Formats: sequence, C-alpha cells, structure tokens
Amino acid sequence: QSALTQPRSVSGSPGQSVTISCTGTRSDVGGYNYVSWCQQHPGKAPKLMIFDVSRRPSGVPDRFSGSKSGNTASLTISGLQAEDEADYYCCSYAGSYTWVFGGGTKLTVL
Amino acid sequence: EVQQLESGGSLVQPGGSLRLSCAASGFTFSTYAMSWVRQAPGKGLECISAISGSGSTTYYADSVKGRFTISRDNSKNTLFLQMNSLRAEDTAVYYCAKTLYGGHSDWGQGSLVTVSS
Repeated sequence: QSALTQPRSVSGSPGQSVTISCTGTRSDVGGYNYVSWCQQHPGKAPKLMIFDVSRRPSGVPDRFSGSKSGNTASLTISGLQAEDEADYYCCSYAGSYTWVFGGGTKLTVL
Repeated sequence: EVQQLESGGSLVQPGGSLRLSCAASGFTFSTYAMSWVRQAPGKGLECISAISGSGSTTYYADSVKGRFTISRDNSKNTLFLQMNSLRAEDTAVYYCAKTLYGGHSDWGQGSLVTVSS
C-alpha cells in the first residue's frame, strides 16, 4: 500500500481557517467511508480528531471538521488557535485489515 | 478512562529480537481490534501490524512481514509484538492503538526501539 498524499505544510493566522487535503485511490479513501485524522504535537502520541470521514470524538472542538469527495479527504480547522499548531496525519482503511497513513502535514499558526 | 501502556523497547543489535507489550485498560479489550503503528525519527506514521479482537485475523506491512508477529492475550488485556531479525530501519517509536475501521481511537505513549551496533 502506498502512503496517502498530503501537503507537507500549511499555515494560517489565528482566527482563520485552513484545509488539509489527503489524496488516495479507489482502493482506500475512495472505497471506504473510513478516513480519520490525527493530531500530533512534538514528542507526543497522536490524538484522534476525526473518524469515519467526518465524526468527532468526544472532547474534540467543533472547529475541526472532515469531509470526502471521491479519492480525496479533507480536514478543515476553523478559528485557528495557537494550540492547533501540530502535525496532522490522515489515515484510511484499505481493506483486508490494512490501514494506510498519509505522510503528514505540518500546520503553522502564524 | 481508556489507557494503553507500552513496554519492552530498548537498544538492540542488528539481527536481534525484542518483544513489545501493551497493557490496556478502561475498555472491553477483547471486542476491539488493535494495531501497532511506528514512527521512525523525524518521519510519519506507519501501521505495521493489526489483529482482530479474537486474534483470528492479522495483518502485516510488507516491511515487517515474516519478521514480526502480533498476538494478544485477552485474559490479560495485553497486546504483543514479537520482533525478530531487527534492522537499523526498524528504529522507531512503536505505538499500540485501539483500532476501529474508521480510525485509531486511543494511543499509548509509545515505546522506543533502537537498532544499532
């Protein structure tokens, strides 16, 4: 399985919105509504922010939203805050008990 | 509260073996799939192995197939990863994660494995 494609970096100012894309194929992103997004601060374990394409776990602010169109999923963070600065990884189920991650996107809050 | 605590990481020579453990609590362990996800220094996340709740179904990434074995003891709420024939490129932080089809919902703090002579 090849890694999903994410931009290496995105940036935005506090209060603005940013969108991170995640492109796969019909065998993963396009084939299942099982896309997730994790946030990882330096030196910390990843934290699930979005699962099942657009669902938020309890405790995740509604500033975080997910969507999918075809083979591309997206994470949108609105009302950017300083603490949102982190690495973000998308992940998709790819069938036969396999999950594939994206290469990660570094979000910088200017 | 869901918790996963990895242990067993250390410095090992190339060709050596290591066994990682992940003690889980706060949820009905046997009803959830579990995964091992690793992160090499400065790199991204890679799901290298997964196992169903019953242990009957397993998955291995090509990078570890034939060298690593995932298993679980549902009576002790513990996940394992037996790693043999270790290589320098296996150096990474290894996380255990509670796994749903739609995402990895809970992560341990990670266990560092360093393969070096």
